Amino acid sequence: AQSVTQLDSQVPVFEEAPVELRCNYSSSVSVYLFWYVQYPNQGLQLLLKYLSGSTLVKGINGFEAEFNKSQTSFHLRKPSVHISDTAEYFCAVSGTGGFKTIFGAGTRLFVKA
Amino acid sequence: EPEVTQTPSHQVTQMGQEVILRCVPISNHLYFYWYRQILGQKVEFLVSFYNNEISEKSEIFDDRFSVERPDGSNFTLKIRSTKLEDSAMYFCASSVTRDRGDRDTQYFGPGTRLTVL
Repeated sequence: AQSVTQLDSQVPVFEEAPVELRCNYSSSVSVYLFWYVQYPNQGLQLLLKYLSGSTLVKGINGFEAEFNKSQTSFHLRKPSVHISDTAEYFCAVSGTGGFKTIFGAGTRLFVKA
Repeated sequence: EPEVTQTPSHQVTQMGQEVILRCVPISNHLYFYWYRQILGQKVEFLVSFYNNEISEKSEIFDDRFSVERPDGSNFTLKIRSTKLEDSAMYFCASSVTRDRGDRDTQYFGPGTRLTVL
């Protein structure tokens, strides 16, 4: 079984500042890792995913994440945030042999002017 | 850009009634999913569906729940004898494949908020 822990429920940050949203996972099998973003009143949009290969994954909107197997982490980063990045961010994990995706509780990123 | 759509956006029902949540997946996708998110809690997997069969389901998906692809475009989630604890946001998702040597992306709809009174 897999589980995901997002360590911060809310992250306030000023515009143009860097941000890191933390995610740890646990699994007894190999996993795929994802970050999704949910803007108000919208569905979940994939930001990036880690399947294999390079541990640094780049996604849309200037976001990137680094897979760290020894620390079982997959933290999301952006060097300079915009007001428009204000949203809920979900870290998720999927076992390589199954269909279901397990989500974390979400981190609300609030970018202030 | 193609997208997953869901109707209605908000459904209110009385406890014990039946509800049907509707989804139109992306047209060339083959795998379909339902997830739910109780307010303030995690997004939880309910069920996956492929080739007119359930591929995998969670313990939440009890015998009150059923899914169906009644035609070539719709994918529905039916909940019978609704309970107060069924109140949640329900997300539909679809993907082209499950695994092509690459984990395919699940595209999510905007959700249907179900309120059971």
